[in-house]
Amino acid sequence: DIQMTQSPSSLSASVGDRVTITCRASQSISSYLNWYQQKPGKAPKLLIYAASTLESGVPARFSGSGSGTTFTLTISSLQPEDFANYHCQQSHSLPFTFGQGTKLEI
Amino acid sequence: QLQLQESGPGLVKPSETLSLTCNVSADSFSSRSYYWGWIRQPPGKGLEWIGNISYSGSTYYNPSLKSRVTMSVDTSKSQLSLKLSSVTVADTAVYYCARGVPITSGGAFSDIWGQGTMVTVSS
Repeated sequence: DIQMTQSPSSLSASVGDRVTITCRASQSISSYLNWYQQKPGKAPKLLIYAASTLESGVPARFSGSGSGTTFTLTISSLQPEDFANYHCQQSHSLPFTFGQGTKLEI
Repeated sequence: QLQLQESGPGLVKPSETLSLTCNVSADSFSSRSYYWGWIRQPPGKGLEWIGNISYSGSTYYNPSLKSRVTMSVDTSKSQLSLKLSSVTVADTAVYYCARGVPITSGGAFSDIWGQGTMVTVSS
């Protein structure tokens, strides 16, 4: 299985901050990388797929980049509703493994 | 708007079989453009891909669970099912079903998820 590692595991930030979360794959996954946001008690919500394609309806302050083994999710200006958990997922090879998650908190 | 709804017992005894269903509304269930996945999340932990199934019934199971997992589709009911046998406390988790979308250029993503159902394994 491809191992996905996110950093940091948790992150404290303030409204208006620019934040970046990193996801690293144990082997090259080209651009087959997705990002999800999950709020407590809720299902994950797709934010970005194919490393950098914004899902319809997702605010433009979210962006993704990277290829190969290193990827980033950036939120350009944090809003109160962005405080949540974020998960990366590779879709290069089954099983489609996830990172351990990053908790973004105030 | 497509909706997915998981259902099943919230409590299962160790060594027994966990059985869940996922009802899929709207027409996309019969589309060959999608597949359907099951994902779980133990309390306070990350997400784990259990497996996926196509409309035609082709399956892929996570090797870590393969010997205990069975997925199926009932097209007449627009329903997915998941069975996990010989459960232990380690199988305690929120279980999600989700629609998978293959990307023409490669890869895939899950764009629509059910709300999840909590299953506790305990005697």
